[in-house]
Amino acid sequence: DSGVTQTPKHLITATGQRVTLRCSPRSGDLSVYWYQQSLDQGLQFLIQYYNGEERAKGNILERFSAQQFPDLHSELNLSSLELGDSALYFCASSVVAGQNEKLFFGSGTQLSVL
Amino acid sequence: GENVEQHPSTLSVQEGDSAVIKCTYSDSASNYFPWYKQELGKGPQLIIDIRSNVGEKKDQRIAVTLNKTAKHFSLHITETQPEDSAVYFCAASLKAAGNKLTFGGGTRVLVKP
Repeated sequence: DSGVTQTPKHLITATGQRVTLRCSPRSGDLSVYWYQQSLDQGLQFLIQYYNGEERAKGNILERFSAQQFPDLHSELNLSSLELGDSALYFCASSVVAGQNEKLFFGSGTQLSVL
Repeated sequence: GENVEQHPSTLSVQEGDSAVIKCTYSDSASNYFPWYKQELGKGPQLIIDIRSNVGEKKDQRIAVTLNKTAKHFSLHITETQPEDSAVYFCAASLKAAGNKLTFGGGTRVLVKP
C-alpha cells in the first residue's frame, strides 16, 4: 500500500457528463500529481500541485481542471466527457516538489465513458 | 520537453533467467531516473531509482545502470521469478521541471515457469 488513496476505483458515465476524481496524498506529502494512462498513450502527466498551488501543467485538456485543498487532498474534474477520455487516472504524491523526491502512486480510478 | 524511449515493449523470459530493459532520454539535464513496476489492476510501484551522480545501484535481484554520456539507463532483473511478471516503466525527471516524471512506454515482462 503506497499510502495514496484514490476514489472512486471505477466510474462509468456517458458522453457529455462531468465527473470528479478524488485523491488523498500520503501523510506529510505536500505535492500531488495527476497522470492519465491509456492503452496507446502510456502514462501521461496532466498537472501538479504543491501545497495548494499549481506547480506544473502537462497535456491537460481545457475540459479538465484540478485543485488542491487546504487539507492537501486533490480533485480532478473532467467535463464534457468524450469516449476518448476513457482511461486510468492516477494520482501520485511526494513530500516536496523540485528536489527529485520519490513519487508514490495510488491505485487509480478507471473511467469508462460510454 | 523530455522524451523517454523504452525497449523492448514485451519481454518473455524463462524462470531463473535474466531480464534487461533499456531506456534512453533526450534532456541531458535530467537527473533522476526511477523504475516502476505495475501489476494488473494496481498503480505503479517504485522498485528502484538512481540519481545522475551515480552510475549503478543494486537492490537484491534488481539493478539499474546509468550512462549519462549516452543518455541511457537500464534495468536488470536476475534470477527472474513468476512474480516478476508485470509491466515495467522507466522514467526521467528534471529538478528544474518541478519533479514531474516523464515515462517510457512500458515493457510487459512475462516470466515463464
